[in-house]
Amino acid sequence: AQSVTQLDSQVPVFEEAPVELRCNYSSSVSVYLFWYVQYPNQGLQLLLKYLSGSTLVESINGFEAEFNKSQTSFHLRKPSVHISDTAEYFCAVHETSGSRLTFGEGTQLTVNP
Amino acid sequence: DAGVTQSPTHLIKTRGQQVTLRCSPKSGHDTVSWYQQALGQGPQFIFQYYEEEERQRGNFPDRFSGHQFPNYSSELNVNALLLGDSALYLCASSLDRLAAYNEQFFGPGTRLTVL
Repeated sequence: AQSVTQLDSQVPVFEEAPVELRCNYSSSVSVYLFWYVQYPNQGLQLLLKYLSGSTLVESINGFEAEFNKSQTSFHLRKPSVHISDTAEYFCAVHETSGSRLTFGEGTQLTVNP
Repeated sequence: DAGVTQSPTHLIKTRGQQVTLRCSPKSGHDTVSWYQQALGQGPQFIFQYYEEEERQRGNFPDRFSGHQFPNYSSELNVNALLLGDSALYLCASSLDRLAAYNEQFFGPGTRLTVL
């Protein structure tokens, strides 16, 4: 069985400040790692994913996440946030041999002017 | 190209009733997964359907059942509704390519309120 822990339920920041959303996972088998974003009254959108290869993955809108196997972490970072980044962010894992996504409880990122 | 669609958008039921939620997968997708997202929590996997069969199931009681049709659309049925079933129900579709990972695309969800 696997589990995901998002260490911060709410992260308030000012516009143009850097941000880090923390995610740790636990699994007895190999996993793939994901970050999803959910805007109010919408479904989930894939932000970025780690399947293999380089441990640093990037999204098209400036987010990046680094897979750290020894620390079982997959923290999400952005060097300068915008008001439009305000949303709920979910970290998730997927067993390499399974079908399901296991999600953390989410981190609400609020970017203030 | 239509993405994943779900109906209805919102639904209000009373305890003990039964409900059916519907999902149409993204064009070209053949696999449908259902998730329950309670308020303030992350989505939890209910089950996945492929080739009209339930392929994998999460930790949900038998009151939760599903179906997949030949056109790959799917229904989620919940019997004997409890107050705790109030949640956003998300449908996700993917294409089974016998790969280790098939990306899941999510619909906007159905908000179920049980009174």
